Formats: sequence, structure tokens, C-alpha cells
Amino acid sequence: NAGVTQTPKFQVLKTGQSMTLQCAQDMNHNSMYWYRQDPGMGLRLIYYSASEGTTDKGEVPNGYNVSRLNKREFSLRLESAAPSQTSVYFCASELGTVQETQYFGPGTRLLVL
Amino acid sequence: RKEVEQDPGPFNVPEGATVAFNCTYSNSASQSFFWYRQDCRKEPKLLMSVYSSGNEDGRFTAQLNRASQYISLLIRDSKLSDSATYLCVVMNYGGSQGNLIFGKGTKLSVKP
Repeated sequence: NAGVTQTPKFQVLKTGQSMTLQCAQDMNHNSMYWYRQDPGMGLRLIYYSASEGTTDKGEVPNGYNVSRLNKREFSLRLESAAPSQTSVYFCASELGTVQETQYFGPGTRLLVL
Repeated sequence: RKEVEQDPGPFNVPEGATVAFNCTYSNSASQSFFWYRQDCRKEPKLLMSVYSSGNEDGRFTAQLNRASQYISLLIRDSKLSDSATYLCVVMNYGGSQGNLIFGKGTKLSVKP
């Protein structure tokens, strides 16, 4: 099992460009999450998907959209990147919705110039 | 008051030392508690869950005090490989969905 995989590992964008961060898990988990981690801020939830076909906003959803393409894949889209979106993005998955371990992907480092 | 607060450190300790981290949380309705470990430039990984009765896993002991809304992690006989950032994590439930709230982390550096 690969666990949770994310692509790309690194990306540099110019302000206003768009991109999609990909996440996939092979653990047959129901719930998937997108977080961002900034220095001095800790991990913050952007969006989550409790199950295939559903998505909900987290703490910091502005400027992002998500798609739960199927049970395995959960993508995060930046329609018009801004320097404030420079961050490390982590995808995570979890078997269910109650007190389960979340497994994280290796992260995507994004720099917006 | 921030939802989950931790001393950022760094804690610089020699090998073999005992070190303790504390964490406070603001939501008295929080139901589940965890410690995650994050190595430099890596993803967070679950270290251990924290139960009301306290729990131990080898050199690691976690305690929860619901009355004081306080969580602790004790590491005995520190190893060089324990150097990492330790994240205190609280799960809050809204409806049927639980969401993790992360502290900013406490950095530990174990020196030879």
C-alpha cells in the first residue's frame, strides 16, 4: 500500500495562475481532508470530504475549491493563486468520521510569486 | 484564547533526559485527544491517542486532565531520534463529523 500520495511535491506559481493539487489514498478510507501548514500557524483545515460525493468547508476555505472525484481521490484547486497561498499543503485520509487516525500524505510545497 | 495552545520550545535536552510537554485546549466539549509527531519537512504522524485514564507506550506517557483542559506528553530516556516537533491535537465534533484542531507544535531537540 502506498498510503496517501500527493502530487506535485513542489510547485512555483505566479500570482493569478491556477493549479490543482492531487491526492489519492489506497486504504479504502471514507474521509479525506486538505490542510495547509504555515510557520507559526499550525495545520489548518481547508476542506474535507466525509464520504464520496460530499465536501464541506473547513477553517480557511476562501480561494480554494475541492472535488471528491471518487472514493480514492480528493483534489484541491486554486483558481487564481495569491502570495498568501504560499504554504505546505497536506492531504489526509481517515477510515471513518469518529476518533480515527488520520494518515497524511507527504505534502506539496507551493510558492506563489 | 486559541483552541489548542502549546509551548513552541525549542526544548534542547541531552540524550537520556526526561522531558514533558504540556498543552491546553479551550473547548470543554472536545472529545478526543492525540499527540502527533512531525519530523522536519515531513508529514505529521500519529504518536499516540490520549485517554482519560492515561496511557503509556514504551518511553512515552500521555495524560489527560479534562477538568483543567490539559494534556501532557512525557518522554523518558530521550533518544536522538526523538528530535521532532510534537503536535497536540484535539478532535471537536459537529454533528456526525469530527474535525482535528492542531496546536502549533513543540519542537524537541535531543543532543548527544
